[in-house]
Amino acid sequence: DAGVIQSPRHEVTEMGQEVTLRCKPISGHNSLFWYRQTMMRGLELLIYFNNNVPIDDSGMPEDRFSAKMPNASFSTLKIQPSEPRDSAVYFCASSLGPGRNTEAFFGQGTRLTVV
Amino acid sequence: EDKVVQSPLSLVVHEGDTVTLNCSYEVTNFRSLLWYKQEKKAPTFLFMLTSSGIEKKSGRLSSILDKKELFSILNITATQTGDSAIYLCAIPQNYGGSQGNLIFGKGTKLSVKP
Repeated sequence: DAGVIQSPRHEVTEMGQEVTLRCKPISGHNSLFWYRQTMMRGLELLIYFNNNVPIDDSGMPEDRFSAKMPNASFSTLKIQPSEPRDSAVYFCASSLGPGRNTEAFFGQGTRLTVV
Repeated sequence: EDKVVQSPLSLVVHEGDTVTLNCSYEVTNFRSLLWYKQEKKAPTFLFMLTSSGIEKKSGRLSSILDKKELFSILNITATQTGDSAIYLCAIPQNYGGSQGNLIFGKGTKLSVKP
């Protein structure tokens, strides 16, 4: 298995633009997580899906952020409009799912810079 | 509120030194505690601890959990420059008795100088 695949790896955009980050979880994993990492706040959960259903989106900063998981093999995180304070590394992770003690596997991340 | 606190935030040592990284936690319905290593990119899994007093070991790295005192330590002996990384501690949040997302500490940044 290729692991969790994220795209793009880097994105630089101007403030006000729409940004879409993509994630393909590991096949067979039922849980998918979007995290944001900054120097100040470390790794923070944005949203957690289980079986394609959002379970906890309390970490989504505001209405500018939205996430979808239309099927078991694909998820998107969208920021519209983007702002400079959104600059961070965004990680997608997947795991086998609830009910099992299991680690989460991380993608390589998308480094977003909003100028 | 579930939380994970790591210390120190940053550590600089010389090759060959032994280091101990600390992680304390508060969680409703403990299931496990996980350690990750993050170099340039994605965090990579090191250990999962579920029982107190049982040491997990992988080469020069070892970890142990104390569920009574709510902490874990990660030891690295005979450190090498390749051990330089951010070490993250995490606990799964509880969702109705099932494992949910991981709550991470802010990490310990370890720098090993030659």
